[in-house]
Amino acid sequence: QSVLTQPPSMSAAPGQKVTISCSGSNFNIGSNTVSWYQKLPGRAPKLIIYENDKRPSGISDRFSGSKSGTSATLGITGLQTGDEADYFCGTWDYSLRAHVFGPGAKVTVL
Amino acid sequence: QLQLQESGPGLVKPSETLSLTCSISGDSIISPNYYWAWLRQPPGEGLEWIGSMYYNEDTYYNSLLGSRVTISADMSKNQLSLKLNSVTAADTAVYYCAKHPQAPNFESWGQGTQVVVSS
Repeated sequence: QSVLTQPPSMSAAPGQKVTISCSGSNFNIGSNTVSWYQKLPGRAPKLIIYENDKRPSGISDRFSGSKSGTSATLGITGLQTGDEADYFCGTWDYSLRAHVFGPGAKVTVL
Repeated sequence: QLQLQESGPGLVKPSETLSLTCSISGDSIISPNYYWAWLRQPPGEGLEWIGSMYYNEDTYYNSLLGSRVTISADMSKNQLSLKLNSVTAADTAVYYCAKHPQAPNFESWGQGTQVVVSS
């Protein structure tokens, strides 16, 4: 049972926008920065957002992140078939003293 | 360019010890201010952090795994190792090594190695 909550799945048509939520508590999201990972089937996770809203070099500006209180959000605009993947949020939990991740949200492009 | 490559047996028997190695190229395992970590993803489940080692070899682990975990480094080979003892079927997963700063951003990942625990 993850301490971070994400919707299990989301879908949208090509070109549309999806937003994925990640909800936690004051022990984790409320006290630390959030990162987001894209996981394609059979591939390693890839960091796409760090420190709530920063993009690593080479990550498209179609990906954006934000955080407010104990929740964080990943946005993907101009949805493409190549964006079909599982998206995980992650942060540090001070109570568990552990890096924690959400269960993942599967994005499907219709 | 940093490359991480996990290796080890793909099949481990219950109650035995799982041993994996992460070979690091393009960077030094003693890079200041960075951690080297092991994570895993059981089939159909999310990511789970196992533990991290600082460049000075200080380690910290996920308490949910108790005392079963040991992470160590071979500086001469630039390799990170994972040992997980007394494994059960619940330890079946794809295991990844990764690099991260103090902040919880796992910047670089290996391709992962599948481990099945079965008799």
